[in-house]
Formats: sequence, C-alpha cells, structure tokens
Amino acid sequence: KQEVTQIPAALSVPEGENLVLNCSFTDSAIYNLQWFRQDPGKGLTSLLLIQSSQREQTSGRLNASLDKSSGRSTLYIAASQPGDSATYLCAVGETSGSRLTFGEGTQLTVNP
Amino acid sequence: SAVISQKPSRDICQRGTSLTIQCQVDSQVTMMFWYRQQPGQSLTLIATANQGSEATYESGFVIDKFPISRPNLTFSTLTVSNMSPEDSSIYLCSVGRTGPKGYTFGSGTRLTVV
Repeated sequence: KQEVTQIPAALSVPEGENLVLNCSFTDSAIYNLQWFRQDPGKGLTSLLLIQSSQREQTSGRLNASLDKSSGRSTLYIAASQPGDSATYLCAVGETSGSRLTFGEGTQLTVNP
Repeated sequence: SAVISQKPSRDICQRGTSLTIQCQVDSQVTMMFWYRQQPGQSLTLIATANQGSEATYESGFVIDKFPISRPNLTFSTLTVSNMSPEDSSIYLCSVGRTGPKGYTFGSGTRLTVV
C-alpha cells in the first residue's frame, strides 16, 4: 500500500526566503506526482504535475523535482511571499487516471 | 483541464439528517473520485464512481452511509446519510483525467454537523 509522507509538518519563514518542502513515497512504481496548494477551508489548487518520466517541473517561483528511484520529491519556493501562506499537499497517482494518495501536508506561514 | 462545479460550498446540518453534494464537470469523464478531509488532516478517498456501475468504496466507507450516484459522464452526487458530528469535514470531488496541470478538484463542500 502506497504511503506518502511530507516533512516538515509546519514551517514558518520570513518573507523573501527560499524554502524547500519534502515529500516521500514508499512505492516507486508511480505514474505521476502532483503538488497542490490548499487555503484554509478551501479546495485544492493544482501547482505542478510531474510525470514519472520527468525529473522536474517549473512554474514561476515554484520548482518541483522528482527522484522516482529514491521515492522523493521536493517543492522549491523562491523568494517567498506572505501570499504563499497555505498548506501544500503532495499526492501520487499509480496509474493514468487513478486515485491519488495524499501526504499529510506542510502548513507554510510566510511572515511579512 | 476539466472544470468542476461543486455545491453546496458549505452547510450546517442537524445530526440525523442527510446532505447531498453535487459535482458537475464541463466535459465527459470516465471516473470521478470522492474524498473526505477531516479537520486538520489530509484527504482520504471515500469511493470511485464510474458511470453505469456501482461505486467502489474504500475500506472504512460503506454505501449505506455514503451513497453515490453517477447518472452520466458529467455528473455525480455524494450523500452523507444519518449525519453525526464526526462527519464534519470538507468533501471534495475529483475527476480521473489528467490535464496539463494535473488532476482537477471541485472547490469542496465544508460540512458542519451540529
């Protein structure tokens, strides 16, 4: 059974810092990995999708990497802003169109 | 990517009653997923809904408590039956098709049972 772990559970940083969120998964036979953002009480906003054949994806200040063989992914946020404050969730899909298995999330606070 | 309209966005319900949550997708999709997110926790899959067949439930979830309908390829409902305060959660639907930005989720239904 796939298990997804995210470290740290919570992170508080001053504005402007670069930061890294970590995600690990137990079964490396994944189809893709996705990072989401969730604001309090809200739904999920997709940030980045990495297919199993890819090593990284970038969108603006966000960069996500994938090391499938070691079962790890990182989300790098450059020049953090208070508007980045949210919970970041990592999820893996094991086949095309399959259900996702989620990590517990990292709650990020960026202080002005 | 598909666009999902989910409603209601939130509701406060009395214990013992039922609430039906709707998800409408702007394109045809084979599979839809229903997730629950309890306070302070991550998402847990409730069931997978394919059009034309019975939903497949995950361990710990049963059809009598969470009946699901999937009448066509663009619509699904999840009912939370005989609610108790422990059912207070955010419920989200998702489609089983990956667009360029990945899986799409509805905006969620925040349920409070009193």
